[in-house]
Amino acid sequence: KNQVEQSPQSLIILEGKNCTLQCNYTVSPFSNLRWYKQDTGRGPVSLTIMTFSENTKSNGRYTATLDADTKQSSLHITASQLSDSASYICVVSFAGNNRKLIWGLGTSLAVNP
Amino acid sequence: NAGVTQTPKFQVLKTGQSMTLQCAQDMNHNSMYWYRQDPGMGLRLIYYSASEGTTDKGEVPNGYNVSRLNKREFSLRLESAAPSQTSVYFCASSEIPGQGKGNTIYFGEGSWLTVV
Repeated sequence: KNQVEQSPQSLIILEGKNCTLQCNYTVSPFSNLRWYKQDTGRGPVSLTIMTFSENTKSNGRYTATLDADTKQSSLHITASQLSDSASYICVVSFAGNNRKLIWGLGTSLAVNP
Repeated sequence: NAGVTQTPKFQVLKTGQSMTLQCAQDMNHNSMYWYRQDPGMGLRLIYYSASEGTTDKGEVPNGYNVSRLNKREFSLRLESAAPSQTSVYFCASSEIPGQGKGNTIYFGEGSWLTVV
């Protein structure tokens, strides 16, 4: 079954600290992997998109990594800010006949002062 | 630059009532989508329109209809609302067709629908 699992489910960190969010997937065949940020009460906003041939991609203080062999991805947030408080969702693109995006449930991050 | 705009933001319906969610994008994108987001579940695709004049079913199309009015606008209609359709609905758009390709999908702010 094609699934995307994220960990931890929730995380609390202090402002200025770094953190890493994990994404494991069983989607096959796989086309690309995306990370989205969703603020409470808002729509998702794209952070990164990586194809299977890319190992890492950065967007400011956000760095995503991908290991297509182990089907794992991580999102690293550097020097966290209060505005980073949000849900971070991993999304994997299924490249089979019925092409679709498979969404994880997200990691809820709270950055406290 | 508004991006993707959807209305209404909040709506309460009685079972059996009908309503239409409106969506418009100002990025000249070809493809538009309607998703729903429920607690404990990832976003699920209801319908999509790869280009003006075409619409296709997504994962959960039952109970919904769509209209791609023109390149800018894509509406979602609930003909006879049911409590199971209580959800947050997101309209989205992308420059190139195919949610499975390496294109960025831009989302609206969401519409909170409650069916009682």
